[in-house]
Order: sequence, then structure tokens, then C-alpha cells
Amino acid sequence: EAGVVQSPRYKIIEKKQPVAFWCNPISGHNTLYWYRQNLGQGPELLIRYENEEAVDDSQLPKDRFSAERLKGVDSTLKIQPAELGDSAVYLCASSLVTGADEQYFGPGTRLTVT
Amino acid sequence: DAKTTQPPSMDCAEGRAANLPCNHSTISGNEYVYWYRQIHSQGPQYIIHGLKNNETNEMASLIITEDRKSSTLILPHATLRDTAVYYCIVRVYTNAGKSTFGDGTTLTVKP
Repeated sequence: EAGVVQSPRYKIIEKKQPVAFWCNPISGHNTLYWYRQNLGQGPELLIRYENEEAVDDSQLPKDRFSAERLKGVDSTLKIQPAELGDSAVYLCASSLVTGADEQYFGPGTRLTVT
Repeated sequence: DAKTTQPPSMDCAEGRAANLPCNHSTISGNEYVYWYRQIHSQGPQYIIHGLKNNETNEMASLIITEDRKSSTLILPHATLRDTAVYYCIVRVYTNAGKSTFGDGTTLTVKP
């Protein structure tokens, strides 16, 4: 079984530039999550999707962050414009349904904003 | 969701049992205890979860105290590959997205 796929693995951009991250969840998983992980800290939830509906985006900085999950499968997280403080690892996870025992995480995208 | 307290770091000798504690004194009756770990440069990996009974799987054992205010994750025979950050999370079963990972315990297994 293929795991959660994320791309790119690494991205370096200058501040004020846009950036996008892509996630392909495990086949059949209805729930998809985006987390941000700062250095030395645990992951923090940004947004959760159930199928194509964003059911929890309370932690997403909506002035510069946006996300979409077309057709309830792949998802894209975008930052525009990026700021120095956005440097972090962006993790995507999926689970069969919300509340499932396990969330399966991808390897993450390490973003560096210079 | 209840907050958890974990020691920032622990060492363990290879082949010995690693016992990782977690305090969750404000846990509610419907909140489960979950453990994940994160090996360097990888995403977190689910280990085990439980409500009030002790649980065991192929990776680890979870011991939850009778009052449910604390728990211990046990890796029975730690290997070098078990070196990772271990997160204890308390959450309602239906509230996966509200998991608060905290800063975890960095376990270093030494030869």
C-alpha cells in the first residue's frame, strides 16, 4: 500500500513569493489534514478535510494561506505571499475517516523562506 | 482536549525496555490516549492508543493508570532505530483533527 505522498520535499523561496505544496493521500482515505511543524515543536493542525469539505480551518491564517481538495482526493496548500516566519515543515496526513485510530503522515515539505 | 506533560528527553540502552511517561491529569472520561513517534526527517507514525485498559501491539505496550491521569509507553526491547521524538496525545475519539502534539520526549537509544 502506497503511503501519503507529498511534493516537493524541499523548497527555498524568497519572502513575498508564492509557494504551493501538494499532497496525495492514501487511496480510500476520506479525511485529509495539513499540519505545520516548527523546528523543535510538535505538529500543529492547519486544516482538516472530510472528502472535499474543509470542516476545520480555524488555525489556518486565511490572509495568506489557502487550501483546496478537489474531488476529495489530492490537496494543495498555498501560501501567498510567504513570510520569514512561514519557514517550517508542512505535513500532510490522511485517515480512513475522522476519528480513526491512525493518521498516516507523509514525509513533509521543508520550506525555507529567505 | 486535555493537555499532556512529557519529559523533554530520555536515554535508553539498546536491548533494554524504554519506559516513556506521560501525565494527563485533566483527561476527560471520553478522551483516549494516543502515542505517535517521529523519526528524524520523517512524518509522525502512529504507535498505539487506549482508553482505560492496557493495550499491546507489535510495536509497544501502553499502560494507563487506574485514575487515567498518567500513562506509560513501553518499548520492550529498544533498538537504535527507536531513537525518535515520542508524542503523547489525549483526544476525543471523534476529534482527530484536534490532536495537540506538544513537544514530545526525545528518546535516544544508545549502543
